Amino acid sequence: ETGVTQTPRHLVMGMTNKKSLKCEQHLGHNAMYWYKQSAKKPLELMFVYSLEERVENNSVPSRFSPECPNSSHLFLHLHTLQPEDSALYLCASSQTTGPEREQYFGPGTRLTVT
Amino acid sequence: GQSLEQPSEVTAVEGAIVQINCTYQTSGFYGLSWYQQHDGGAPTFLSYNALDGLEETGRFSSFLSRSDSYGYLLLQELQMKDSASYFCAVNNFNKFYFGSGTKLNVKP
Repeated sequence: ETGVTQTPRHLVMGMTNKKSLKCEQHLGHNAMYWYKQSAKKPLELMFVYSLEERVENNSVPSRFSPECPNSSHLFLHLHTLQPEDSALYLCASSQTTGPEREQYFGPGTRLTVT
Repeated sequence: GQSLEQPSEVTAVEGAIVQINCTYQTSGFYGLSWYQQHDGGAPTFLSYNALDGLEETGRFSSFLSRSDSYGYLLLQELQMKDSASYFCAVNNFNKFYFGSGTKLNVKP
């Protein structure tokens, strides 16, 4: 596999469920990101990890819990979500977190909360 | 707060030139990036400007004026495959702030 992969590609969950999104990058990068993309709205940066340490948390509700066990893997644990959390969740990676970094995005997980 | 403004939709014909503008107001600024996203696809990086001026990459060029908080993406010799959404994004060290995207429709 190459690039950035995400699983599952589609997820439907109830508000009381617990699920996890998985992201894996095969590029040897040191930084990974979670974004939320809702219809007609800008991409929203949720979390940034650099060398497995969280360096940014953009005031994301605690029902979203990230985990970065190593520089190649990133998870987003979900629990007691709300219908407004339905969106496309994109993972990205970059060589570093420096300002000139090009980000490589995965295909996303389309999440529907019922 | 942070805000980026870009037109919501632009239509052009094959072979034409189109310019997508982006104005921004952010508390910090390192550079301006552009990304392309086809329907159902992942955003892909197009260009990055940290300094004023024009950067050219094939049919695509990107311009930045830091004093005007303004940039644009110029697409030349439009092809049908260029139909996609285009996002500008401000880099503020660890953070990215994205615009809402411009949907480009290329017609034959």
